[in-house]
Amino acid sequence: DAGVIQSPRHEVTEMGQEVTLRCKPISGHDYLFWYRQTMMRGLELLIYFNNNVPIDDSGMPEDRFSAKMPNASFSTLKIQPSEPRDSAVYFCASKTRAGTEAFFGQGTRLTVV
Amino acid sequence: EDQVTQSPEALRLQEGESSSLNCSYTVSGLRGLFWYRQDPGKGPEFLFTLYSAGEEKEKERLKATLTKKESFLHITAPKPEDSATYLCAVRSNAGNMLTFGGGTRLMVKP
Repeated sequence: DAGVIQSPRHEVTEMGQEVTLRCKPISGHDYLFWYRQTMMRGLELLIYFNNNVPIDDSGMPEDRFSAKMPNASFSTLKIQPSEPRDSAVYFCASKTRAGTEAFFGQGTRLTVV
Repeated sequence: EDQVTQSPEALRLQEGESSSLNCSYTVSGLRGLFWYRQDPGKGPEFLFTLYSAGEEKEKERLKATLTKKESFLHITAPKPEDSATYLCAVRSNAGNMLTFGGGTRLMVKP
């Protein structure tokens, strides 16, 4: 299995632009998580899905952030409009319903200038 | 609210110098304590899951232990390739998400 696949690996955008991050979870996994990692706050959960349905989005910082999971093999995290304080590494992770540990992708490093 | 605190923030060791990393947690109903390793520019890589006090797990030079309030990651005779950030996380009865600590950055010098 190729593991959790995220794209792009790096994104540089100007303040005010729309940014879309993509994630393909491991096939057969029922749960998908979006995390954000910064030096100041570490790894923070933004939102997670179970069977494509958002379960907990309490970590989404503002209405500028939105996430979708149209099918079991694809999810997006969108930021519109982007701001410099959104600069961070965004990770996607997935796990099975029965499994315990989550498997992480390589992350997308977002820089908003 | 679940809380995880890791110490020290950074640790420098000489190759072969054994030590321990600490993870203190506060959680409403522990459903698992997880250790991950993260290399620069990469995602966290799963190491261990512990479920109950007294449980221990080992993998090569690493051994994880768990009490009711904390977990330790013991590193025996570390090598330079063990250099990484080690993250601790908990899952509680509140849901399926993980709450992470700030991590310990381990540097092992030859």
